[in-house]
Amino acid sequence: AQSVTQPDIHITVSEGASLELRCNYSYGATPYLFWYVQSPGQGLQLLLKYFSGDTLVQGIKGFEAEFKRSQSSFNLRKPSVHWSDAAEYFCAVGALVSAGTYKYIFGTGTRLKVLA
Amino acid sequence: DAGVIQSPRHEVTEMGQEVTLRCKPISGHDYLFWYRQTMMRGLELLIYFNNNVPIDDSGMPEDRFSAKMPNASFSTLKIQPSEPRDSAVYFCASSFSLGDYTFGSGTRLTVV
Repeated sequence: AQSVTQPDIHITVSEGASLELRCNYSYGATPYLFWYVQSPGQGLQLLLKYFSGDTLVQGIKGFEAEFKRSQSSFNLRKPSVHWSDAAEYFCAVGALVSAGTYKYIFGTGTRLKVLA
Repeated sequence: DAGVIQSPRHEVTEMGQEVTLRCKPISGHDYLFWYRQTMMRGLELLIYFNNNVPIDDSGMPEDRFSAKMPNASFSTLKIQPSEPRDSAVYFCASSFSLGDYTFGSGTRLTVV
C-alpha cells in the first residue's frame, strides 16, 4: 500500500539557519511527489513537485527538494529560514489509481517553528 | 481565477443537525477532491470526482456522509446527522488531469 511518512512532527530552527524536513514514501512505481505548505487558518499551497527528470527540484519561496529513489525519500530543504516560513509542511505522493487518474496521499505533516 | 472557493468558512452546529459544505472548483479543472483534516488523523481523502462523476468514495467515514457534484462548477459535502466527532477542517481541492491540486481555504466545522 502507498504511504508517506514524515518522521518529525515538530521542528524548531533559528531564523537564518538551514532547514531540512524529511519525507519517506512507499510506492511500487515511480512516484509523483509534492510538498505543500499550510499557514494557520489557510489551505495548502504547493511548494514544489517532482514528476521525472532532474532529481533536485526548485520550488517557490527558496525551497528545494531532492528525490532519492534508493532511499525512498523526498526531503525538503531551505538554506536560510525566514520567520515567515513558520507553518506546517506536508509531503504527498500521487498514487496511480487507474489510467491517468491519481490521488494524493499526504503525510501527517511537520510543524515548523522559527525562533527570532 | 478566484481559486477554489469554499463556503462557509466556519460552521458551528448542534449534534444531530444536517450540515452542508460547499465548493466551487477552478473553472476547467476536471477533478475535485474532498479532504478532512484533524489533529489525530491528518489529511484524509474522503471522496473525489472526475468530470462530475464520483470515482472513489472509500474514504467517506459513514453513511452519514454524502457528496454530490451536480455540475462542473459546484460540489457539496453533506453530513446528516452530524456528530461531535465530525468536527474538523474540511478542504476541497481541484486539479486538471495530472496537474497540481489547488486547495480551498477550508471549512472549519464544529459540532457541539
